[in-house]
Amino acid sequence: AQSVTQPDIHITVSEGASLELRCNYSYGATPYLFWYVQSPGQGLQLLLKYFSGDTLVQGIKGFEAEFKRSQSSFNLRKPSVHWSDAAEYFCAVAPFIGGNNRKLIWGLGTSLAVNP
Amino acid sequence: ETGVTQTPRHLVMGMTNKKSLKCEQHLGHNAMYWYKQSAKKPLELMFVYNFKEQTENNSVPSRFSPECPNSSHLFLHLHTLQPEDSALYLCASSQARGLTEAFFGQGTRLTVV
Repeated sequence: AQSVTQPDIHITVSEGASLELRCNYSYGATPYLFWYVQSPGQGLQLLLKYFSGDTLVQGIKGFEAEFKRSQSSFNLRKPSVHWSDAAEYFCAVAPFIGGNNRKLIWGLGTSLAVNP
Repeated sequence: ETGVTQTPRHLVMGMTNKKSLKCEQHLGHNAMYWYKQSAKKPLELMFVYNFKEQTENNSVPSRFSPECPNSSHLFLHLHTLQPEDSALYLCASSQARGLTEAFFGQGTRLTVV
């Protein structure tokens, strides 16, 4: 079955430190890949996406992610975390489900806390 | 401002009540979605509408009834809910069903008492 794994349920980093959130997926072909962020009491906001091409993707708020086909991974990174980055981060993959349709499959999320 | 607006933001209802959640998108998208977000569970896709037609119903109980009068509006009608239906209900839209870059509303926090 297709699945998305975010191994870290909760991560705490200090402000200014670097960050890497892990995401692994289980799917035969390369799906579309996404990272979303959800601040407390808010909906989900798209940080970045990968469809094809350059495997290093730049997103909003200084985030980037790297697609590694050999590892079926799409890890999210930020070189210097800000206190406002504290939120829940969701990885999602979208394999084909037939025709031109894709279906989003979501990870359970990683909760990020930032210490001052 | 995400372009997708949900009302109300919070709702408390009894198990015998009938209420509706509303979603409106200002992005010119043709596909709209209802998701349920519960603690410790992945996001659950409930319903999909593409060009006002329901294209997906993921085994959602009949006490949840969606309505899509046009491509900009989506409703979720609720009746005789159970306490386990308490969750954050998120509406999303995308340009088309095949393109899954979805834009989300802020959600309605529903509590069933």
